[in-house]
Amino acid sequence: KAGVTQTPRYLIKTRGQQVTLSCSPISGHRSVSWYQQTPGQGLQFLFEYFSETQRNKGNFPGRFSGRQFSNSRSEMNVSTLELGDSALYLCASSLGTSGEQFFGPGTRLTVL
Amino acid sequence: AQSVSQHNHHVILSEAASLELGCNYSYGGTVNLFWYVQYPGQHLQLLLKYFSGDPLVKGIKGFEAEFIKSKFSFNLRKPSVQWSDTAEYFCAVNGGSGGGADGLTFGKGTHLIIQP
Repeated sequence: KAGVTQTPRYLIKTRGQQVTLSCSPISGHRSVSWYQQTPGQGLQFLFEYFSETQRNKGNFPGRFSGRQFSNSRSEMNVSTLELGDSALYLCASSLGTSGEQFFGPGTRLTVL
Repeated sequence: AQSVSQHNHHVILSEAASLELGCNYSYGGTVNLFWYVQYPGQHLQLLLKYFSGDPLVKGIKGFEAEFIKSKFSFNLRKPSVQWSDTAEYFCAVNGGSGGGADGLTFGKGTHLIIQP
């Protein structure tokens, strides 16, 4: 069974731009969660989608948004990028909303 | 809000030594507990998980963890480490913050180095 895939793997943007990251969950998984990983803050929960609905959201500003499509694929968008948004963005999928999560390789975003 | 603390940020051990990594979470109630591992250059993988039942859970590669509800702890153990166990280890908790779907709350991680 194919794992969680994320595209692109690497991205370089400048301040003020916006970016869209994509995640394809494991086949059959309906829950997709997004996390931000930085050296200073560690792994922080962004939001979770289940059946195209955002079920929970972490403590991030409104510049961070996401959506989920009917095939469970998910995208996250960051608008008006700031230097501090440079991070590894991880996507994880699971069958349900509180179960084991399987992580993708991440998208490394660098904001210049 | 839930928080997770891992007591050791860096641990250096020799091969065959025993390992114990501490993890405490802040909020009671029904929680699911996880240990994830990130080997160099690889993505996060699940080592083991606790949902309910026997508080001593066994995972992959000889790792085990014990859930002690009264201490809000979920410590990771391995009786004899190998050089290939060098990695970053993360404790994570799901739930216990009032119900509903929750994301995982992670600890800051422990960087484990095994010296041959």
